[in-house]
Amino acid sequence: AAGVIQSPRHLIKEKRETATLKCYPIPRHDTVYWYQQGPGQDPQFLISFYEKMQSDKGSIPDRFSAQQFSDYHSELNMSSLELGDSALYFCASVVTSGNNEQFFGPGTRLTVL
Amino acid sequence: AQSVAQPEDQVNVAEGNPLTVKCTYSVSGNPYLFWYVQYPNRGLQFLLKYITGDNLVKGSYGFEAEFNKSQTSFHLKKPSALVSDSALYFCAVRGSTGAGSYQLTFGKGTKLSVIP
Repeated sequence: AAGVIQSPRHLIKEKRETATLKCYPIPRHDTVYWYQQGPGQDPQFLISFYEKMQSDKGSIPDRFSAQQFSDYHSELNMSSLELGDSALYFCASVVTSGNNEQFFGPGTRLTVL
Repeated sequence: AQSVAQPEDQVNVAEGNPLTVKCTYSVSGNPYLFWYVQYPNRGLQFLLKYITGDNLVKGSYGFEAEFNKSQTSFHLKKPSALVSDSALYFCAVRGSTGAGSYQLTFGKGTKLSVIP
C-alpha cells in the first residue's frame, strides 16, 4: 500500500540558510499535518492543511511557512535557520471522510550547523 | 486544551514477561487515542487506536490497550515482551469534535527496554 513520502530524508544546512521540506500524502488523502520532533522530545504540531487551505496552526515560528498544492502535496519552507531548528520533521496525511487516523511519513532529519 | 501524560520515562522488563506502558489523557469531549512506536532514527509507526466501542483494543505486533474512561487512561500492554519490542512509545490524543483540524497531542514518550 502507498505510504506518505517525505523528501529529502536528510538535510544539512548552515545557520541563516533556507530549507524546503516536501510531503506527498497517501493518494486521496486531503489533509496534511506537519510535526517537529526535537532531539529527545515528543512531536509537536506545527501546522495543518485541508483541501489546500490552512486549517490549524500550532507552534510554528514566523520564519516558517507552508502550503498545500493542487495535487495535495505540501511543502514546509524554513528561512533564517537556527541551530534549534535541528529536528526530525514529520508529515502525516489523513482522509477527512474516514476516522481521521493520521498516517505518518518517515520524516526529514534537518541538521543546522 | 488536550494533553497526554506518560508518567514513566523508561520501563524495563524481562523478555517473556508482561509489559505495561502507562498513559493518561485530558481532552474535551470523547477522546480519540493512539499509540505509536518509534525505533531509533525512524518514523512513527502506528500500533493501535481507540475511537469508540470495546474498551480493550487490539493492535499490531501483539500489543493491546485498555481504555478506561473513569481513570482517563489508555495503558499499552503486551502479555509477553520481546527484545525487538525495545523502542520509544508515544501515546497521543485528539478530540473527536469541534471545528478546525484534529492535530495529535503526544505524550513525552516512554522508552521500553526488554532485557534478554
